[in-house]
Amino acid sequence: QLVLTQSPSASASLGASVKLTCTLSRGHSSYAIAWHQQQPEKGPRYLMKVNSDGSHSKGDGIPDRFSGSSSGAERYLTISSLQSEDEADYYCQTWGTGIQVFGGGTKLTVL
Amino acid sequence: EVQLVESGGGLVKPGGSLRLSCAASGFTFSSHSMNWVRQAPGKGLEWVSSISSSSTYIYYAHSVKGRFTISRDNAKNSLYLQMNSPRAEDTAVYYCARDQNWNDAFDYWGQGTLVTVSS
Repeated sequence: QLVLTQSPSASASLGASVKLTCTLSRGHSSYAIAWHQQQPEKGPRYLMKVNSDGSHSKGDGIPDRFSGSSSGAERYLTISSLQSEDEADYYCQTWGTGIQVFGGGTKLTVL
Repeated sequence: EVQLVESGGGLVKPGGSLRLSCAASGFTFSSHSMNWVRQAPGKGLEWVSSISSSSTYIYYAHSVKGRFTISRDNAKNSLYLQMNSPRAEDTAVYYCARDQNWNDAFDYWGQGTLVTVSS
């Protein structure tokens, strides 16, 4: 079964960096994923797609502070030089034939 | 600029019906598959349904299969979700989202429309 696992919460200080993790279920370590940001009271926003080889392609207007990487079944989103507006929920998404799957989301708090 | 604007949400009674719409602009609508995703109050994102660019392929989440119907009108640049026999657990903000390519990442989202199922 295709499942994505995310930690429910994360925190980091203003100006610091944070690395969020999305883990693919057993047998699906070759899958690409996408990262989406959802600020409070807003719709989601596509950040980037991260492939199994760690390559990533960002959405329109996404700052260089956001980057993606990969290791085995884990896909990462790194945000550097944290700003207050980065405080948001972050969701990973993947897909298979006839199905789309979202992780449970990570709530990022900027201290 | 790509824009997706949902409409049609509101209060509906259990067992009733409601039709959501998503108006697309700023891109060639007929070239992209489209999706509906929902978010219950205080919860995460849940995929609802997908439709390919020419409506050849349609998929549903188990939770809505047999009750909801996705469709599109490429001449009107519009996506629809017909919600029949809704239940209280269908209460959510409903978003439409564009696929980069068929069965791929969602690269643009709308702002959502709230559906409340209650008697």
